[in-house]
Amino acid sequence: EVQLVESGGGPVQPGGPLRLSCAASGLTFSSSWMNWVRQAPGKGLEWVASISPDGTAKSYVDSVKGRFTVSRDNAENSLFLQMDSLRAEDTAVYYCVRDRGYWTFDSWGQGTLVTVSS
Amino acid sequence: QSALSQPASVSGSPGQSVTVSCTGTSTDVGGNNYVSWYQQHPGKAPKLMIYDVSNRPSGVSNRFSGSKSGNTASLTISGLQAEDEADYYCSSYGANRMFGGGTKLTVL
Repeated sequence: EVQLVESGGGPVQPGGPLRLSCAASGLTFSSSWMNWVRQAPGKGLEWVASISPDGTAKSYVDSVKGRFTVSRDNAENSLFLQMDSLRAEDTAVYYCVRDRGYWTFDSWGQGTLVTVSS
Repeated sequence: QSALSQPASVSGSPGQSVTVSCTGTSTDVGGNNYVSWYQQHPGKAPKLMIYDVSNRPSGVSNRFSGSKSGNTASLTISGLQAEDEADYYCSSYGANRMFGGGTKLTVL
């Protein structure tokens, strides 16, 4: 059974940093495209970032470019999202998600809530 | 603004069938067979229900089916049950990594 477990969320002040982690099990992590998808309170799903299996290819939604960095450690089956210069509009539940190919997200973590507020 | 357009809400009575539409363009929905549908209950993570337009992952009820015509994909839920009440999102390869805006299904 695939398990994706996020951690690292919590309250943070505007302009501050936060690092999210995702521990993966039950899948061949080193062969998987991984993503972060977020959902603001009462809103829909928004893709945030993607990273290739070997970590060399990364992409981001325009609103987080230059502020967020996605990375992975295949030896530890872990995915990360370093979030800097956080804004109120970054407040959301952040999900760790596996893309099985062609933009099909077949495995989702339970999510971790990030709240940016003074 | 989502690249894929969904109705904000649909509703149906137990036992009936309901259809949720997802309208895109010839560069996404109409241009490939990689449309997916996700179900999300309140406070829970989304769950993949349909992939590649009409395929069901193992464990998903056969009451859920998907189809596509031109630039519009559809999710049909037959034999509606109370537990089907949830939000439903579509996605498509080629849609600039965007999801549909979501449809709230209410079981009357």
